[in-house]
Amino acid sequence: GAVVSQHPSRVICKSGTSVKIECRSLDFQATTMFWYRQFPKKSLMLMATSNEGSKATYEQGVEKDKFLINHASLTLSTLTVTSAHPEDSSFYICSANTQTGTDTQYFGPGTRLTVL
Amino acid sequence: RKEVEQDPGPFNVPEGATVAFNCTYSNSASQSFFWYRQDCRKEPKLLMSVYSSGNEDGRFTAQLNRASQYISLLIRDSKLSDSATYLCVVNLGSGGFKTIFGAGTRLFVKA
Repeated sequence: GAVVSQHPSRVICKSGTSVKIECRSLDFQATTMFWYRQFPKKSLMLMATSNEGSKATYEQGVEKDKFLINHASLTLSTLTVTSAHPEDSSFYICSANTQTGTDTQYFGPGTRLTVL
Repeated sequence: RKEVEQDPGPFNVPEGATVAFNCTYSNSASQSFFWYRQDCRKEPKLLMSVYSSGNEDGRFTAQLNRASQYISLLIRDSKLSDSATYLCVVNLGSGGFKTIFGAGTRLFVKA
């Protein structure tokens, strides 16, 4: 149980294009999902907390107009990187809790984004 | 000072060795603690939670010292498959909590 999937696993795009990443909880409902970014040999950095049916809460320094988050259902959250630039190239990982208020997070397999 | 600090390593140990990782956190309001394992280019996977009373899972033992704001992970009888990056993770609270990840400690176990 507690499986989280992400799609795509890898994407290469040109500068200026937008990329959508999907995060799904496969066997549970996730009221809250989290989006992280990880640069090589660095720790995961929380970008935003995604709440089903409401606006995402962004961490300081993360541009909400550049990283659009939609949490339309209890099993799906999407992250759209708009007008991507090479500096947006990174490993993007989502996670979810199996129950509201529990602390254990289960991670998706991640999406490696390369912007040329 | 970083909110969660770990020795980045790498730790290079032979098979069968015992190795210990330490982690310190700065926020005394932190409520829950975990060790995650992350393999290269993969997502983090929960290894174990860390309790004040300490907990053990097979070859892995985790301990928490709230007074010193210190967490440890001990791996006994290291296996080649233990080679990975070990992330110390701290939550500031349940419900609307904030999760802070350490940068990780790299472990290489060699034959």
